[in-house]
Amino acid sequence: DTEVTQTPKHLVMGMTNKKSLKCEQHMGHRAMYWYKQKAKKPPELMFVYSYEKLSINESVPSRFSPECPNSSLLNLHLHALQPEDSALYLCASSRRDNEQFFGPGTRLTVL
Amino acid sequence: LAKTTQPISMDSYEGQEVNITCSHNNIATNDYITWYQQFPSQGPRFIIQGYKTKVTNEVASLFIPADRKSSTLSLPRVSLSDTAVYYCLVGDDPIYGGSQGNLIFGKGTKLSVKP
Repeated sequence: DTEVTQTPKHLVMGMTNKKSLKCEQHMGHRAMYWYKQKAKKPPELMFVYSYEKLSINESVPSRFSPECPNSSLLNLHLHALQPEDSALYLCASSRRDNEQFFGPGTRLTVL
Repeated sequence: LAKTTQPISMDSYEGQEVNITCSHNNIATNDYITWYQQFPSQGPRFIIQGYKTKVTNEVASLFIPADRKSSTLSLPRVSLSDTAVYYCLVGDDPIYGGSQGNLIFGKGTKLSVKP
């Protein structure tokens, strides 16, 4: 299994909702990442987990809360988002040599 | 972080070889160079990675001169399906104490292949 899966593919939520994005990989990678990508812009790094511990947080607002329950799973909990948070959210994982494997993304719309 | 500079866009025709150059003047000794391809509304896909000289795989070649201040991604005989954005990243492994360069995407090069 050489892929990263993300669910859901699409998500529409209101500003008062709480939702979660899920990412899963079974390649034995010990580093996992969340990126945010707005239209026609490059992916922006949000969080990095290394061996299930948060190692990098790129000054992301607290309305985004990451969680790594085990070495194969990565969640992103969303609460009180703003319309400007609408974007494609990408999950990735990597081996030590840092070749990242990206998932297909979750298209998030905040109303 | 080693900053990278790429052309914003390039045009080509089917069957031609395309070379995309990336400048990274302040590349560090331990940094390596990684290229990704991204189609609209999809996650980036790893193409190739190298440290020096030339690397070749089934889809591309990567040429890195001795001073390592630039690199060139070469796509042989492109087709319409190669129309995408190509990103050059430069860095070490951040998980083991290196820089975050390999996690930071620049603006990329939008390649358009025409029939």
